[in-house]
Amino acid sequence: SQQGEEDPQALSIQEGENATMNCSYKTSINNLQWYRQNSGRGLVHLILIRSNEREKHSGRLRVTLDTSKKSSSLLITASRAADTASYFCATVLNQAGTALIFGKGTTLSVSS
Amino acid sequence: EAEVAQSPRYKITEKSQAVAFWCDPISGHATLYWYRQILGQGPELLVQFQDESVVDDSQLPKDRFSAERLKGVDSTLKIQPAELGDSAMYLCASSSRTGGLYEQYFGPGTRLTVT
Repeated sequence: SQQGEEDPQALSIQEGENATMNCSYKTSINNLQWYRQNSGRGLVHLILIRSNEREKHSGRLRVTLDTSKKSSSLLITASRAADTASYFCATVLNQAGTALIFGKGTTLSVSS
Repeated sequence: EAEVAQSPRYKITEKSQAVAFWCDPISGHATLYWYRQILGQGPELLVQFQDESVVDDSQLPKDRFSAERLKGVDSTLKIQPAELGDSAMYLCASSSRTGGLYEQYFGPGTRLTVT
C-alpha cells in the first residue's frame, strides 16, 4: 500500500518559473525523502528531511515538512527543461529496517 | 561514481515462463532492496536484504516470486511462472545503512513485459 500522495498529479510550467509539489502521508514518520525519475529510468535521491526538521535547502530545491499536518512540499526554483521528470515523495516509518514507501508521484513538464 | 547495476534492461516473456533479474549493488552497501513499479505508480517494496538475510519480504508473492542474495553481495529476483499482471519495472536499490536514515541508490531497472 502507498503511504504518500502527491499533488498535483501533473504540472506544466515554462522555463524560469517555480514548481511546487505537495505530498501528504498517513502515519508518523522517521524521515521523508524526495526522488526524481526521468522517463523510464531509475530513481535519483534529491533530499532527505528528518521528522524534527521543518525546512531544508539543496541548490534550487527547498523542502518543507509539517508533521502536524502530515505534509511536505518540494519547491524547485528557476525551473529548467532538464527538470522535466516525475517526482516522488517517500517516507520511512518509525520501525527499524523499514524501506521507503512511495507516493504515486507528480509529473513535471518544463517547456522552453 | 559507483552505480547499482541491473540486467537485463528489458525482458519480454510469455506467461507461464520463468524470468530472472540480476542486481549488483554499490560495493560495500549492506542493504539491498527490490521494488516493483507499475506504470503510473510509485515503486513498491518486494523484498529487503541486510547482507544475505531477508529483513522484509511481506509484500513478495511467494507462490511465484523468489529472491536470494548469496554471500551478501549481488542478488537475483526470480518469477516462476510469470503472469500478465507481472508486467512492470523492477528496480533494485542499495544503501549503506538500514533504518531509512540514508539515501537509497537505484539501478536503471528491468522493464518486464509479459505477453
